[in-house]
Amino acid sequence: AQSVTQLDSHVSVSEGTPVLLRCNYSSSYSPSLFWYVQHPNKGLQLLLKYTSAATLVKGINGFEAEFKKSETSFHLTKPSAHMSDAAEYFCVVKAAGNKLTFGGGTRVLVKP
Amino acid sequence: EAGVTQFPSHSVIEKGQTVTLRCDPISGHDNLYWYRRVMGKEIKFLLHFVKESKQDESGMPNNRFLAERTGGTYSTLKVQPAELEDSGVYFCASSQGILAGGPKYNEQFFGPGTRLTVL
Repeated sequence: AQSVTQLDSHVSVSEGTPVLLRCNYSSSYSPSLFWYVQHPNKGLQLLLKYTSAATLVKGINGFEAEFKKSETSFHLTKPSAHMSDAAEYFCVVKAAGNKLTFGGGTRVLVKP
Repeated sequence: EAGVTQFPSHSVIEKGQTVTLRCDPISGHDNLYWYRRVMGKEIKFLLHFVKESKQDESGMPNNRFLAERTGGTYSTLKVQPAELEDSGVYFCASSQGILAGGPKYNEQFFGPGTRLTVL
């Protein structure tokens, strides 16, 4: 069985400052890991994915995440937040089969 | 390329009524998934179709929920009779078939969701 824990339900940052969204996972298999973002009234959009290649994964809009097996973590970062980054972010694990297991989500507020 | 579409975007019904949600996947995607987010909880898997067959329905909460995908194209999710605890956002996603290969193989593309409110 797999599970995902997003350590912060809300994160508030100032525009231009770094963003860190924390995610820990548990999986019986070698997992695939994803970060999705949902802007208001929009569908979930894939930001990036890890599938056992490079442990540092670069995604869209300047986001990146590092897979750390020893820490069972997959934290999402961005060096400089933009107002358009205000959204809800989901850490997701896929083990055997196609079923996705979601974390609880982190809402990001970006202050001008 | 058109994305995954869902209809309606919002539905408000009374307890005991029936509601049918529709999902149109990306054209050519064999895999179709339903997920649900109940207020304050995680997004949870409901079921997975491969073409018209149910591959995994382990997440369906009870027999008041019926999903179909006739002809392997669009899918419907019917809730009958609806209960208060069914309120939430229902997401549909689709992905290419296993033979498609390529970098987007198995990436699930999500629709905007249907917000269901049961009063």
